[in-house]
Amino acid sequence: AQSVTQLDSQVPVFEEAPVELRCNYSSSVSVYLFWYVQYPNQGLQLLLKYLSGSTLVKGINGFEAEFNKSQTSFHLRKPSVHISDTAEYFCAVSDPFRGGATNKLIFGTGTLLAVQP
Amino acid sequence: GAGVSQTPSNKVTEKGKYVELRCDPISGHTALYWYRQSLGQGPEFLIYFQGTGAADDSGLPNDRFFAVRPEGSVSTLKIQRTERGDSAVYLCASSYSGVNTEAFFGQGTRLTVV
Repeated sequence: AQSVTQLDSQVPVFEEAPVELRCNYSSSVSVYLFWYVQYPNQGLQLLLKYLSGSTLVKGINGFEAEFNKSQTSFHLRKPSVHISDTAEYFCAVSDPFRGGATNKLIFGTGTLLAVQP
Repeated sequence: GAGVSQTPSNKVTEKGKYVELRCDPISGHTALYWYRQSLGQGPEFLIYFQGTGAADDSGLPNDRFFAVRPEGSVSTLKIQRTERGDSAVYLCASSYSGVNTEAFFGQGTRLTVV
């Protein structure tokens, strides 16, 4: 079965510093990869997704992620964070090539990005 | 409405009672998903509807959980004989069908079983 690992439960960072949130997935077969953000008291919002093509994916709010098939990783990066980026970030994978729906997602446990002034 | 709407936003029930959680998807979205998010965990897939039919219910934990979508729009997640372990935030998402589609999530229903 597919699984997603987010090793860092919390990442503290100062405002305007760069950040990387790590995500590794278990499958060696083709999958779709996603990053979602959950702001306090709000629903999950899609940041970006990788389906195919270029391994560098750009998303909303200045975030980007790089798909690395050999390392089965999909790390999320932002060159300069703001206080408003403080939120929980979830990496997710789906396996539509074996009959699953695109949005039948397996989520990691999340990483809390805590941006400090 | 503009987004996915879930009602109620909070539900407290006694152990052993029956509850219903409602999801109003975005108009025109044929796919609808239910997820459950326990404290400190990521959302966990429960069931997926394509139109009126449950295309994949492999995530339902046991036969106390059931969901319907009779007219292909609103969906109801039903939990019988609730247990304290059912306490979680239940999330609903909807999307168009197809490969390159985005799922839009509601804010969830927080269920507390006491």
